[in-house]
This record gives sequence, C-alpha cells and structure tokens, in this order.
Amino acid sequence: QVQLQESGPGLVKPSGTLSLTCAVSGGSISSSNWWSWVRQPPGKGLEWIGEIYHSGSTNYNPSLKSRVTISVDKSKNQFSLKLSSVTAADTAVYYCARDWDSSSRYGMDVWGQGTTVTVSS
Amino acid sequence: DIQMTQSPSSVSASVGDRVTITCRASQGISSWLAWYQQKPGKAPKLLIYAASSLQSGVPSRFSGSGSGTDFTLTISSLQPEDFATYYCQQANSFPRTFGGGTKVEIK
Repeated sequence: QVQLQESGPGLVKPSGTLSLTCAVSGGSISSSNWWSWVRQPPGKGLEWIGEIYHSGSTNYNPSLKSRVTISVDKSKNQFSLKLSSVTAADTAVYYCARDWDSSSRYGMDVWGQGTTVTVSS
Repeated sequence: DIQMTQSPSSVSASVGDRVTITCRASQGISSWLAWYQQKPGKAPKLLIYAASSLQSGVPSRFSGSGSGTDFTLTISSLQPEDFATYYCQQANSFPRTFGGGTKVEIK
C-alpha cells in the first residue's frame, strides 16, 4: 500500500527557508490523487498548508500563500514543500498526506509519520 | 475562510460509554466533512469522509452524521484504544480548515 515519508532539516534559522520532501512509495505520484502538506504546532491543532496534483496544479492556504511553494518531481516520485521567511511561529510537526479522491473532497487517507521542524537561531 | 468549531474541547468518558462530538461550520459545506483520530505522537487517521461514510478498516462503532453546517461524530461504545483527540475538517472550499479538536479522556 502507499506509504509517505517526510525528510528535511529539523532546524531552520529565522528568516530562512524551510524545505521538506515527501517520498511516495508503494504507488505512483501520478495517480488520481492530490498530495497535501499539513502542520501542527506543539500542543496545538492541525493547519492545512496546501496541495498539489501531479500535473503541477496547486492550492494554497492564503495565510501562507506568499511564502509557500509546493512542487512535484514525478521522476523521483516525490513532492516538496518550501516555506520562506520562517519565524518561530512556523515551528511545528509537518505532515505530508494523500487526498484519496481526485476531487480532494473525501479526506486524507494516507499520512507520513511527520517531521518536527524547529525555527531557532 | 470557513471556521470549524468543535465541542466539547474535551470529554471524560468510561469504556463502554456512548460519546458524541459536534462540529459546526461557519457556513454551509454540504456533506464535505471528514473526521480524524489522532493519538499522541502519531499522524491523524481518517475515520469518516463525506460526513457519514466509514473509511475502510475503521470499526463500525464510529459513525458520522449531518449536512450543511452541523455535524456529529459518535462512538457507540468507547473502547480503550479510542482515547485520543478527534478533529473535523471541511473539504467544501479552500483553504481546507480543521476544527480545534476534541480530546477524549479516560474517566
């Protein structure tokens, strides 16, 4: 079955760029699914960051849109998140997830284990 | 953005109890609502999609209902493995938004 694995630096300096990758295994990123990023600050709830389709189409959270880029690399079967100009408020566990339907309206059925990113000098 | 409000924020219950969690949307979202369960240190797990459809592999003691702005998640007979935090999420419009969570604790 499809599995997702996040990777990237666990520590990012303030004003820097957070870069994470989500590797897809057991399936193709070119399947009829949207691929999402969700984050969770320590002790808080979930925040949707954005999503991408294998065609490159994206939807972003307006609260982050000016700082976020989500991209897909079909040759490596993975997708990525870049968040620029980070502050301590961006410290969170970052999850990648799969929307199980092509409409992205039926929820996210496969999740990575999550990776903790701390913004600190 | 559509605001999702869950209540209660926490509930204490015993094994075997019936537990109901509500989620209210700030505007109508048809039936585009999902419910997730999250245990400490783990990723969320999809329980219910399209307001009332049970995700494959999820026990039948979980059920969802509602449409428009008001939704409920019911656990018919609470089991030890159900103690967790539950989130609703609307999928009607962008940005997708989550409720603040309901923590189900042992009484």
